[in-house]
Amino acid sequence: AQSVTQLGSHVSVSEGALVLLRCNYSSSVPPYLFWYVQYPNQGLQLLLKYTSAATLVKGINGFEAEFKKSETSFHLTKPSAHMSDAAEYFCAVSDPANAGKSTFGDGTTLTVKP
Amino acid sequence: DGGITQSPKYLFRKEGQNVTLSCEQNLNHDAMYWYRQDPGQGLRLIYYSQIVNDFQKGDIAEGYSVSREKKESFPLTVTSAQKNPTAFYLCASRDTGTSRSSYNEQFFGPGTRLTVL
Repeated sequence: AQSVTQLGSHVSVSEGALVLLRCNYSSSVPPYLFWYVQYPNQGLQLLLKYTSAATLVKGINGFEAEFKKSETSFHLTKPSAHMSDAAEYFCAVSDPANAGKSTFGDGTTLTVKP
Repeated sequence: DGGITQSPKYLFRKEGQNVTLSCEQNLNHDAMYWYRQDPGQGLRLIYYSQIVNDFQKGDIAEGYSVSREKKESFPLTVTSAQKNPTAFYLCASRDTGTSRSSYNEQFFGPGTRLTVL
Protein backbone atom coordinates (compact mmCIF):
# COMPACT_ATOMS: atom_id res chain seq x y z
CA ALA A 1 0.00 0.00 0.00
CA GLN A 2 1.12 3.50 -0.75
CA SER A 3 0.95 6.51 1.47
CA VAL A 4 2.09 10.11 1.47
CA THR A 5 2.82 12.33 4.43
CA GLN A 6 3.15 16.07 4.09
CA LEU A 7 4.80 17.55 7.14
CA GLY A 8 3.20 20.82 8.12
CA SER A 9 -0.32 21.67 7.07
CA HIS A 10 0.57 25.37 6.99
CA VAL A 11 3.84 27.01 5.99
CA SER A 12 4.42 30.76 6.07
CA VAL A 13 7.37 32.51 4.44
CA SER A 14 8.29 36.07 3.59
CA GLU A 15 8.40 37.20 -0.01
CA GLY A 16 11.85 36.43 -1.40
CA ALA A 17 12.57 33.71 1.16
CA LEU A 18 13.20 30.04 0.49
CA VAL A 19 10.15 27.82 0.18
CA LEU A 20 10.46 24.24 1.50
CA LEU A 21 7.44 21.94 1.52
CA ARG A 22 8.07 18.45 2.84
CA CYS A 23 6.77 15.18 1.46
CA ASN A 24 7.59 11.65 2.55
CA TYR A 25 6.20 8.62 0.83
CA SER A 26 5.77 4.93 1.42
CA SER A 27 5.63 2.59 -1.53
CA SER A 28 6.36 -1.10 -2.04
CA VAL A 29 7.36 -0.51 -5.64
CA PRO A 30 9.45 2.22 -7.30
CA PRO A 31 7.35 5.32 -6.78
CA TYR A 32 5.87 7.67 -9.28
CA LEU A 33 5.75 11.01 -7.50
CA PHE A 34 4.01 14.26 -8.27
CA TRP A 35 3.54 17.73 -6.83
CA TYR A 36 0.36 19.63 -7.63
CA VAL A 37 -0.74 23.17 -6.79
CA GLN A 38 -4.29 24.28 -6.09
CA TYR A 39 -5.52 27.86 -5.98
CA PRO A 40 -8.77 28.61 -4.10
CA ASN A 41 -11.87 27.04 -5.64
CA GLN A 42 -9.92 25.62 -8.56
CA GLY A 43 -8.69 22.24 -9.67
CA LEU A 44 -5.19 20.91 -9.22
CA GLN A 45 -2.38 21.78 -11.62
CA LEU A 46 0.79 19.75 -12.05
CA LEU A 47 3.96 21.44 -10.81
CA LEU A 48 6.40 18.62 -11.50
CA LYS A 49 6.79 14.86 -11.52
CA TYR A 50 9.49 12.31 -10.81
CA THR A 51 10.04 9.90 -13.70
CA SER A 52 13.27 8.22 -12.52
CA ALA A 53 15.32 10.01 -15.20
CA ALA A 54 16.88 12.41 -12.71
CA THR A 55 16.65 12.80 -8.97
CA LEU A 56 16.41 16.58 -9.19
CA VAL A 57 13.24 17.54 -11.00
CA LYS A 58 12.51 21.03 -12.25
CA GLY A 59 8.95 22.20 -12.64
CA ILE A 60 6.94 25.25 -13.49
CA ASN A 61 7.06 28.61 -11.72
CA GLY A 62 10.63 28.04 -10.49
CA PHE A 63 9.83 25.05 -8.29
CA GLU A 64 11.96 21.95 -8.07
CA ALA A 65 11.99 18.76 -6.04
CA GLU A 66 14.65 16.23 -5.16
CA PHE A 67 13.94 12.52 -4.94
CA LYS A 68 15.88 10.89 -2.11
CA LYS A 69 15.29 7.17 -1.99
CA SER A 70 17.27 6.67 1.22
CA GLU A 71 15.05 9.17 2.99
CA THR A 72 11.86 8.26 1.07
CA SER A 73 11.38 11.96 0.49
CA PHE A 74 10.38 14.25 -2.35
CA HIS A 75 10.53 17.73 -0.88
CA LEU A 76 9.47 20.76 -2.94
CA THR A 77 11.59 23.89 -2.95
CA LYS A 78 11.75 27.32 -4.52
CA PRO A 79 14.68 29.67 -3.87
CA SER A 80 12.64 32.85 -3.67
CA ALA A 81 8.95 33.02 -2.81
CA HIS A 82 6.60 35.28 -4.71
CA MET A 83 3.21 36.49 -3.56
CA SER A 84 1.60 34.52 -6.38
CA ASP A 85 2.94 31.28 -4.87
CA ALA A 86 0.36 31.43 -2.10
CA ALA A 87 -1.76 28.33 -2.61
CA GLU A 88 -2.26 24.78 -1.39
CA TYR A 89 0.27 22.17 -2.48
CA PHE A 90 -0.29 18.45 -2.72
CA CYS A 91 2.23 15.65 -2.98
CA ALA A 92 0.98 12.45 -4.61
CA VAL A 93 2.25 8.95 -5.30
CA SER A 94 0.88 6.87 -8.15
CA ASP A 95 0.64 3.12 -8.47
CA PRO A 96 1.02 2.13 -12.14
CA ALA A 97 0.05 -1.45 -11.33
CA ASN A 98 -3.28 -0.32 -9.96
CA ALA A 99 -4.91 1.75 -12.67
CA GLY A 100 -2.54 4.61 -12.05
CA LYS A 101 -4.50 5.57 -8.98
CA SER A 102 -2.88 8.32 -6.99
CA THR A 103 -2.71 8.69 -3.23
CA PHE A 104 -2.58 12.32 -2.16
CA GLY A 105 -1.16 13.90 0.93
CA ASP A 106 -3.36 16.11 3.06
CA GLY A 107 -1.88 19.23 1.52
CA THR A 108 0.22 22.15 2.72
CA THR A 109 -1.11 25.69 2.59
CA LEU A 110 1.61 28.15 1.72
CA THR A 111 1.24 31.74 2.87
CA VAL A 112 3.60 34.40 1.53
CA LYS A 113 4.00 37.54 3.60
CA PRO A 114 4.98 40.81 1.97
CA ASP B 1 -8.11 24.01 -26.17
CA GLY B 2 -8.05 20.55 -24.69
CA GLY B 3 -9.12 20.11 -21.11
CA ILE B 4 -11.67 18.99 -18.59
CA THR B 5 -14.87 20.81 -17.82
CA GLN B 6 -17.09 20.34 -14.80
CA SER B 7 -20.51 21.78 -14.34
CA PRO B 8 -22.02 23.42 -12.52
CA LYS B 9 -19.40 25.31 -10.53
CA TYR B 10 -21.72 25.60 -7.54
CA LEU B 11 -24.61 23.29 -6.73
CA PHE B 12 -27.15 23.36 -3.95
CA ARG B 13 -29.21 20.34 -2.99
CA LYS B 14 -31.94 19.69 -0.52
CA GLU B 15 -31.61 16.70 1.75
CA GLY B 16 -33.06 13.57 0.21
CA GLN B 17 -32.42 14.62 -3.38
CA ASN B 18 -30.12 12.99 -5.85
CA VAL B 19 -27.88 15.26 -7.88
CA THR B 20 -25.60 14.63 -10.85
CA LEU B 21 -22.27 16.35 -11.42
CA SER B 22 -21.02 16.60 -14.96
CA CYS B 23 -17.46 15.88 -16.12
CA GLU B 24 -16.40 16.11 -19.75
CA GLN B 25 -12.93 15.85 -21.28
CA ASN B 26 -11.64 16.31 -24.82
CA LEU B 27 -8.13 15.08 -24.13
CA ASN B 28 -8.86 11.61 -25.52
CA HIS B 29 -7.88 10.06 -22.20
CA ASP B 30 -9.07 6.59 -21.33
CA ALA B 31 -8.86 6.88 -17.56
CA MET B 32 -11.07 9.17 -15.50
CA TYR B 33 -11.41 9.71 -11.76
CA TRP B 34 -13.69 11.37 -9.23
CA TYR B 35 -12.38 12.79 -5.98
CA ARG B 36 -13.95 14.39 -2.98
CA GLN B 37 -12.05 17.15 -1.19
CA ASP B 38 -12.78 18.24 2.37
CA PRO B 39 -10.76 20.84 4.28
CA GLY B 40 -7.58 19.37 5.73
CA GLN B 41 -8.20 15.91 4.29
CA GLY B 42 -6.66 16.06 0.87
CA LEU B 43 -8.34 14.22 -1.99
CA ARG B 44 -10.20 10.97 -1.54
CA LEU B 45 -11.02 8.72 -4.49
CA ILE B 46 -14.71 8.01 -5.06
CA TYR B 47 -14.78 6.11 -8.37
CA TYR B 48 -12.50 5.59 -11.32
CA SER B 49 -12.81 4.27 -14.83
CA GLN B 50 -10.05 2.92 -17.03
CA ILE B 51 -12.15 2.40 -20.13
CA VAL B 52 -15.62 3.00 -21.52
CA ASN B 53 -18.38 0.92 -19.93
CA ASP B 54 -16.19 -0.07 -17.00
CA PHE B 55 -15.61 1.56 -13.61
CA GLN B 56 -14.48 0.59 -10.12
CA LYS B 57 -15.16 1.81 -6.62
CA GLY B 58 -12.58 3.92 -4.91
CA ASP B 59 -12.07 4.42 -1.21
CA ILE B 60 -15.33 6.22 -0.44
CA ALA B 61 -17.88 5.00 -3.02
CA GLU B 62 -20.83 4.57 -0.65
CA GLY B 63 -23.67 6.92 -1.54
CA TYR B 64 -22.29 7.68 -5.01
CA SER B 65 -22.80 6.21 -8.47
CA VAL B 66 -21.19 6.78 -11.86
CA SER B 67 -21.54 5.80 -15.50
CA ARG B 68 -19.08 5.73 -18.38
CA GLU B 69 -21.09 5.39 -21.58
CA LYS B 70 -18.77 7.63 -23.58
CA LYS B 71 -15.03 8.13 -23.45
CA GLU B 72 -15.48 11.86 -22.99
CA SER B 73 -17.97 11.77 -20.15
CA PHE B 74 -17.92 10.46 -16.58
CA PRO B 75 -20.88 11.87 -14.60
CA LEU B 76 -21.13 11.40 -10.84
CA THR B 77 -24.45 11.07 -9.05
CA VAL B 78 -24.58 11.92 -5.38
CA THR B 79 -27.50 9.97 -3.97
CA SER B 80 -29.60 10.58 -0.90
CA ALA B 81 -27.71 7.70 0.73
CA GLN B 82 -24.62 9.89 1.01
CA LYS B 83 -24.92 11.20 4.56
CA ASN B 84 -22.53 14.11 4.33
CA PRO B 85 -22.31 15.22 0.70
CA THR B 86 -21.30 18.83 1.22
CA ALA B 87 -17.79 19.02 -0.30
CA PHE B 88 -15.72 20.09 -3.27
CA TYR B 89 -15.75 17.47 -6.05
CA LEU B 90 -12.94 17.12 -8.54
CA CYS B 91 -12.87 15.14 -11.75
CA ALA B 92 -9.60 14.11 -13.40
CA SER B 93 -8.38 12.19 -16.40
CA ARG B 94 -5.13 10.49 -17.36
CA ASP B 95 -3.53 9.36 -20.57
CA THR B 96 -2.94 5.61 -20.46
CA GLY B 97 -2.29 5.06 -24.14
CA THR B 98 1.47 5.63 -24.40
CA SER B 99 4.36 3.36 -23.53
CA ARG B 100 5.44 5.55 -20.63
CA SER B 101 1.94 6.28 -19.45
CA SER B 102 2.80 5.02 -15.99
CA TYR B 103 4.50 8.35 -15.41
CA ASN B 104 1.56 10.36 -16.64
CA GLU B 105 -0.06 12.79 -14.32
CA GLN B 106 -3.75 13.37 -13.84
CA PHE B 107 -5.38 16.41 -15.41
CA PHE B 108 -8.00 18.04 -13.22
CA GLY B 109 -11.18 19.93 -13.92
CA PRO B 110 -12.08 23.15 -12.08
CA GLY B 111 -14.31 21.38 -9.57
CA THR B 112 -17.92 21.56 -8.38
CA ARG B 113 -18.79 22.77 -4.91
CA LEU B 114 -21.84 20.94 -3.62
CA THR B 115 -23.76 22.28 -0.65
CA VAL B 116 -26.64 20.46 1.00
CA LEU B 117 -29.22 22.79 2.46
